[in-house]
Formats: sequence, structure tokens, C-alpha cells
Amino acid sequence: QKEVEQNSGPLSVPEGAIASLNCTYSDRGSQSFFWYRQYSGKSPELIMSIYSNGDKEDGRFTAQLNKASQYVSLLIRDSQPSDSATYLCAVGGSQGNLIFGKGTKLSVKP
Amino acid sequence: DTEVTQTPKHLVMGMTNKKSLKCEQHMGHRAMYWYKQKAKKPPELMFVYSYEKLSINESVPSRFSPECPNSSLLNLHLHALQPEDSALYLCASSKIPGGAETQYFGPGTRLLVL
Repeated sequence: QKEVEQNSGPLSVPEGAIASLNCTYSDRGSQSFFWYRQYSGKSPELIMSIYSNGDKEDGRFTAQLNKASQYVSLLIRDSQPSDSATYLCAVGGSQGNLIFGKGTKLSVKP
Repeated sequence: DTEVTQTPKHLVMGMTNKKSLKCEQHMGHRAMYWYKQKAKKPPELMFVYSYEKLSINESVPSRFSPECPNSSLLNLHLHALQPEDSALYLCASSKIPGGAETQYFGPGTRLLVL
């Protein structure tokens, strides 16, 4: 059974701080990794995809992938109250499906 | 443009009703997905259509019946649902089938079964 694990939180950070969200996965053969943001009552919105070891930056967001450790993370710099949401880590499955973690709820306090 | 549309936004139905959910994308994507999401849980895959053919059915009860009339449209027909089927139903699409492809989600249909 392929699994994706996330700390459910809530993770609380002050406005302007760096939020660090972590995710581990069980299938060593996984090749594609995604971070989605989901506001309460809304659908998941893609933040970033990452396929290679290392860092990938997009604005205030940086995804980090370490395949040897089976670990993927998302850093949010200069966190804003509008970043308060649930962040879903997803791993691409062999049949074209996405395997989601349970999500980490982030709260950014003004 | 990465827009996936879904109708209706909200649906209330009784256990004897028949209703349908509709999903549409005009991005030329050839893979479309139905997910079910309960409160405070991640999305759970229900069905995958690859090039308009059903490729994955995650042991979904037959009261849910998917249909892909063409490459832009995906329906989910509902019949004799149970209250525990109340959830947010999400449609997604990707350029081609495959776990490496980014999936784009529609806004979802919030379903309440009475």
C-alpha cells in the first residue's frame, strides 16, 4: 500500500515568518510530487510540482525533494494570513492517480 | 488557461432520486478524473478516464456511474445514493494519463443526500 504521510497540524506561524511543511512517501519508485493548497470549502489548487532532487522556487514558495530520504517539503517565505489553508502533498501513482497525504492545516497569525 | 468547470455547485437529493454531475474542460486534456472528498479528509480517487475510456474504477459502488461522452466532458450519474455519500465531488483533468502529469481540479459539486 503506497502511503504519503504529513503532519496534520495545525501549524501556526506569525505573519512574515517562514512556514515549513513536510511530507514523506513510502514508494521509493515515485517520480512526481505535487503540493496543492485547499481553502476551506474549496477545491485543491496546484502550488507546485517537482520531479528532480533539489529545490524548486516559485515566488514565495520553494519545494524541496530528497528521493534518497523519500522526503518532500514546501517552504513558504514571508507567510501571509491569506496563506492560511490546508496544504496537501500528493505523489503520482503508477496508474495515473494521485496519492494524497492527509494534509497539513496552516494558520498564519497577523 | 487551466480551467475545469463543474455543475451544479450544490446538489441536494433524496435517496430515490437520479441526478447527474457534469464536468467540462477545453484544454485538450485526454485524462479526466472523479474524486470524492469528505470533510477534513484528502480527496479519494473514484474513476479515471484515459482517452475517453474508463481505465480505473476504484471499487466504487454501482450507484455511481461515470460517463465520458467526448474528450471535453465527463459526467457522474447518481442513483439511489445513501446519506454517507454526501461529500464534495471533484473533477480533475491532466494533459495525458500518467502519474507524472499535473492534475487540475474543478471547483467541485457539494452533494447532500437526505
